[in-house]
Amino acid sequence: DGGITQSPKYLFRKEGQNVTLSCEQNLNHDAMYWYRQDPGQGLRLIYYSQIVNDFQKGDIAEGYSVSREKKESFPLTVTSAQKNPTAFYLCASSDRDGTYEQYFGPGTRLTVT
Amino acid sequence: GDSVTQMEGPVTLSEEAFLTINCTYTATGYPSLFWYVQYPGEGLQLLLKATKADDKGSNKGFEATYRKETTSFHLEKGSVQVSDSAVYFCALSDWGNTGGFKTIFGAGTRLFVKA
Repeated sequence: DGGITQSPKYLFRKEGQNVTLSCEQNLNHDAMYWYRQDPGQGLRLIYYSQIVNDFQKGDIAEGYSVSREKKESFPLTVTSAQKNPTAFYLCASSDRDGTYEQYFGPGTRLTVT
Repeated sequence: GDSVTQMEGPVTLSEEAFLTINCTYTATGYPSLFWYVQYPGEGLQLLLKATKADDKGSNKGFEATYRKETTSFHLEKGSVQVSDSAVYFCALSDWGNTGGFKTIFGAGTRLFVKA
């Protein structure tokens, strides 16, 4: 079955530590995205990549970093510079077919204490 | 710039009631329009979409019509079920100012359906 996987589902870290969230897709999509969702809130775009080895900042990129070395993978690192890292993180991908319908992973809930 | 505005929630309905969630948009081009649904603790799933004016998207009893004249894409369902309780997001995809495609999401509307 094609889809997007994110791991782990729940992640706990101490303040001051960097943490990397995994996102893998086997849909052969060119574009991939990372969103942050806070309780009761909508989605905010962190980073996106339209092609391998290229990515752009979204609306709230500060304190985050990404890489896109393979088409299938788009890991997100939450650095210690991110002031409020506790949130639900969603990865998505889309094909460049003109509509850009997005396919989402199940999400990773990160808690930093 | 492009934007999506949807009605604030929560919306609380009894089972078998009629549902409308309003969504309006502003866009410089000819966007595609989407409704996504998010169940508790999960990612978003595409519910339906429409790619041009007057298109009607439909799925699982939900419908929405792309109205260019009113720049709207309201979500409707004739008879809701408890299992429809979720958060619904309206979204558009359009060419951004930087030359690439961009997707804009509304803030989401939470729906509670009571038995």
